[in-house]
Amino acid sequence: KAGVTQTPRYLIKTRGQQVTLSCSPISGHRSVSWYQQTPGQGLQFLFEYFSETQRNKGNFPGRFSGRQFSNSRSEMNVSTLELGDSALYLCASSFSSGVSTDTQYFGPGTRLTVL
Amino acid sequence: AQSVTQLGSHVSVSEGALVLLRCNYSSSVPPYLFWYVQYPNQGLQLLLKYTSAATLVKGINGFEAEFKKSETSFHLTKPSAHMSDAAEYFCAVSSGAGSYQLTFGKGTKLSVIP
Repeated sequence: KAGVTQTPRYLIKTRGQQVTLSCSPISGHRSVSWYQQTPGQGLQFLFEYFSETQRNKGNFPGRFSGRQFSNSRSEMNVSTLELGDSALYLCASSFSSGVSTDTQYFGPGTRLTVL
Repeated sequence: AQSVTQLGSHVSVSEGALVLLRCNYSSSVPPYLFWYVQYPNQGLQLLLKYTSAATLVKGINGFEAEFKKSETSFHLTKPSAHMSDAAEYFCAVSSGAGSYQLTFGKGTKLSVIP
């Protein structure tokens, strides 16, 4: 079974631009979560989607948004990029049986650099 | 609110020595606890998870962790370190009740000295 895939793997943008990152979950998984990883703040939860609905949201500004499609694929968008948005963005998928011990499987991440 | 504290941002052990990575949690509800490993330029891989079924949890690659409610701890151990264990390790907690939001510790980078 293929794992979680994220595209692109690397991205370079300049301040003020916007960016869209994509995540394809493991086949059959219905929940997709996004995390931001930086050296200073560590791993922080952005949001989680299930059945095309945002089910949970972390403490990030409105510049960070996401969506999920009917095939469970998800995208996240960051508008008006700032230097501090440089990070590794990780996507995780889970089956979402309703039990929170469902394992979340992580993709390799998208490395975003903002210049 | 939940939080995770990992003591020691860097730990070095000799090959063949015991690995002990410390994790303490704070949670207002019975926690679900996880240990993940991250190799350079890769995502996170689950090592093991605590689901309240047993306090001693065995994971992949010879790792195990013991849930101690009285100490609010979930330390990760491995009897004998291998060079391939060199990576960054993250402890995480979720609040249960269908929550898929993981709160991570800051991570511990493990170095294995030959």
